[in-house]
Parts: sequence; C-alpha cells; structure tokens
Amino acid sequence: EIVLTQSPGTLSLSPGERATLSCRASQRVSGNYLAWYQQKPGQAPRLLIYEASSRATGIPDRFGGSGSGTDFTLTINRLEPEDFAVYYCQQYGSSPPFTFGGGTKVEIK
Amino acid sequence: EVQLVESGGGLVQPGGSLRLSCAASGFTFSDHYMDWVRQAPGKGLEWVGRIRNKANSYLTEYAASVKGRFTVSRDDFQNSLSLQMNSLKTEDTAVYYCTRASDYGDFFDYWGQGALVTVSS
Repeated sequence: EIVLTQSPGTLSLSPGERATLSCRASQRVSGNYLAWYQQKPGQAPRLLIYEASSRATGIPDRFGGSGSGTDFTLTINRLEPEDFAVYYCQQYGSSPPFTFGGGTKVEIK
Repeated sequence: EVQLVESGGGLVQPGGSLRLSCAASGFTFSDHYMDWVRQAPGKGLEWVGRIRNKANSYLTEYAASVKGRFTVSRDDFQNSLSLQMNSLKTEDTAVYYCTRASDYGDFFDYWGQGALVTVSS
C-alpha cells in the first residue's frame, strides 16, 4: 500500500499570495496517477487535478499540479477567499486500496 | 447534471448493521465503477470499497479495515448503489460518501453530500 504524506499540515497565507502544497509517496506512483481534491467545511471533497497536472472540468487556472514519481505539488496562484480549505492528494496508480494523504489546511493569515 | 444522493445514515450500536443507499442521476450509471469513501469526524479521507461495472463482472474490492464486514452492491436498473455494513465498530463512525470513478482513471470525479453513520452504545 502506498502511503502519501502531505506537508505542511497547515499553511497560513493571505489572499493574493501563492500556496505550495506537497504530497510525497512512499513508493513511485505509477503513471503519475495522482489526484488533488479540495474540501470546505461541511462539504464533500471536490476534484481539482488528476494525473498529477490535468485540471478537472471547471477548475480555475490558478490551480496547478506538477510532479512525478514520488513527489507532487499543488500550487494555487493568487489565493482567492474561496480557496481557503483543506486539500487532499490521492494516488490511483496501483490496485486498490486507493490511498489519500492526511491533508493540508490552507487558512487565512 | 450528475447527482449522487446518499440515504440511510444514523445511529447504530456496536455489532449492529446498517445499509446505506446512493441514488445516482445525470449520467449512464451502468457504465461506471462506483466507490464508497469515508471520513471519520475531524479526520482525513479513507477509501472503503468499490464495485465495477457489468462489463467487468461487477467485481468488488474492499479496504482491509472493512473486508468481510461490508458489502458493496449496485442495481443498474434503479441507478442505485448500496453499502451493507455489518458487525459495526465504533471506529466505523464517519461520514460515508458515494463517489463515481472517472472514465479516465481511478479517481473520483463526483461525490455525494455524504451520510453520517454513528456507531455508539
């Protein structure tokens, strides 16, 4: 089972700043099959990025994914008020179980 | 518009059973693999189990933490997904999300609003 470690646990930033979130896998993620989700309080997660760098339908271009192998990054340029949330990575490069990282909370500084 | 609506959550005693349902609409349900993902209070996301489509023999797969206790099933005529949970433990307390696996890989492109299951005496 691939273990995903997200860092930092909490990121305190101001609107307009750039957020850089890390997701590190315990072994290589086949095909760079890594997704990112956003979750706001009381809501279901929402898909942002799949296959490490492809934006899902309707996701603004200030959200960008990068990385390969074991190290992946979600970048949010020019944080908007609605971007303050918890972000999770998920790998799907291997057979189930599909695993998620522990999450990074982006909070308003 | 894709919609996934869960129902059936509630309070159950340890050792008890509960069945969650998910009504799907807005897409060709029978084509898609469907998964359950849960989230314990204040915690992260945990994949629970999946059922493949008819073309893949409705194969089911489960997380080790629920294997032998939980069963995922589907009704392609009713466009519905179910999760039968038996021998429930306090650590199964969570919001359970019905999710659709994407056409492009084993990630989850649509999520229901979630159903809260509380296991407590």
